This record gives sequence, structure tokens and C-alpha cells, in this order.
Amino acid sequence: GAVVSQHPSWVICKSGTSVKIECRSLDFQATTMFWYRQFPKQSLMLMATSNEGSKATYEQGVEKDKFLINHASLTLSTLTVTSAHPEDSSFYICSAPLTGQENSPLHFGNGTRLTVT
Amino acid sequence: GNSVTQMEGPVTLSEEAFLTINCTYTATGYPSLFWYVQYPGEGLQLLLKATKADDKGSNKGFEATYRKETTSFHLEKGSVQVSDSAVYFCALRDFSGGYNKLIFGAGTRLAVHP
Repeated sequence: GAVVSQHPSWVICKSGTSVKIECRSLDFQATTMFWYRQFPKQSLMLMATSNEGSKATYEQGVEKDKFLINHASLTLSTLTVTSAHPEDSSFYICSAPLTGQENSPLHFGNGTRLTVT
Repeated sequence: GNSVTQMEGPVTLSEEAFLTINCTYTATGYPSLFWYVQYPGEGLQLLLKATKADDKGSNKGFEATYRKETTSFHLEKGSVQVSDSAVYFCALRDFSGGYNKLIFGAGTRLAVHP
């Protein structure tokens, strides 16, 4: 079964509003989680690394103030898209390695499809 | 920097045909290599992995061998099924910068017809 739960699976919002996406690790603690973005028919691009108890690490070109990441606990990371615009419409996916097994493959959530109208 | 290059899709095959999806990588050191599969509307699922040269990963009839001399990790399956239709991503684990992250290829869409 799934070890990483992502919610919501899809969301439609109006331009200018903010949207929060949750990523939870099930039955294990995740000190690190990764947030990816996927445009239609394209690959996944790493946006940021979420670190429990410290600031997220953003990839070059990703706006920190627009994509707010909060790793509130050892099982929850949230991505908030602030003041969303149509160009933010995309598929967002989180992932996490099993804690204590950092060399293990990443487990992915099922993704959140965001549509900004 | 580290990168992954996959053959462009889409790949269209008839059921029971042989599948090869090419993947080559550029990396310093000895990265771990992965194949992930994404079914329509879903997230990614790990298909198989290899952590060192000459390792062969296998799962559900799919195989890939870590070839350091050619920096390749090609995905193969002897007889595809309609249910294999999906997007396949080759990826390497990058340990640089003090934390690990996955670098993905562009993905290859596979369509299998009855």
C-alpha cells in the first residue's frame, strides 16, 4: 500500500488565491521530503527539499515566497502556492525516503493536480 | 552537472512485442540508478533499481543493467502487455550538496495495443 499520502489529489482555484498541499508519511517518520513539479508531458523537476525543523532548500529558479514549504512534523510537509496564477497550474508530487534508509528509493505520493483559473 | 537522457517517445508496440527504452546518464562518482513508472493520473512507482556497476534490477518482467562503461541503464521487457502502457522515467540519485535527490530523465510514454 501507499506509504506517502498526498492531499488533495486535485484542486481548482481562482487566480490570486492560495492553495495548500499536504504530504504525509504513513507509518514512518520523514525528516526529509522532496517536492516536484511536473508540466504536461514533461519530466519531474525538483522544486525544493523540505527539512523537518529547519528551512527548506529551494532549487535554483524556484521562488521561495511563492512556494512556501513547512515541514511541521516528522510526518507532514506542506506546500502552499501563494497568489496562484494560471502559469502555476501543474502536477505537484511529493516524495520521501524511509528514515534511516536514506539510500533507499524515494516513495512518491499520488500527486496533486492544480488548475488555476 | 549530473543528468539523465532518455529516448524520446512515444513508443507504440503491439502486445507481446519486445521493449527497449534507452537511458544514459552523466554523473560524477557512482550514482544509484532507478526506473519509475507513472500510470495515467497517478504518482510515480518504483519499478526497479541498481546501486552499483553490473547490477541488474528486475521487476514484473522488466530488467535493466547498470553499465558503467557505457553509462547506460536501458529498460527491457521481453513481452509487453496492454497494462504496461504508462510513462517510464529513468533517474539517478545525486548525493552532491550534502543531501540526496533524484534527477529524472524526460520520460518515455509507452502505448501497447492489443
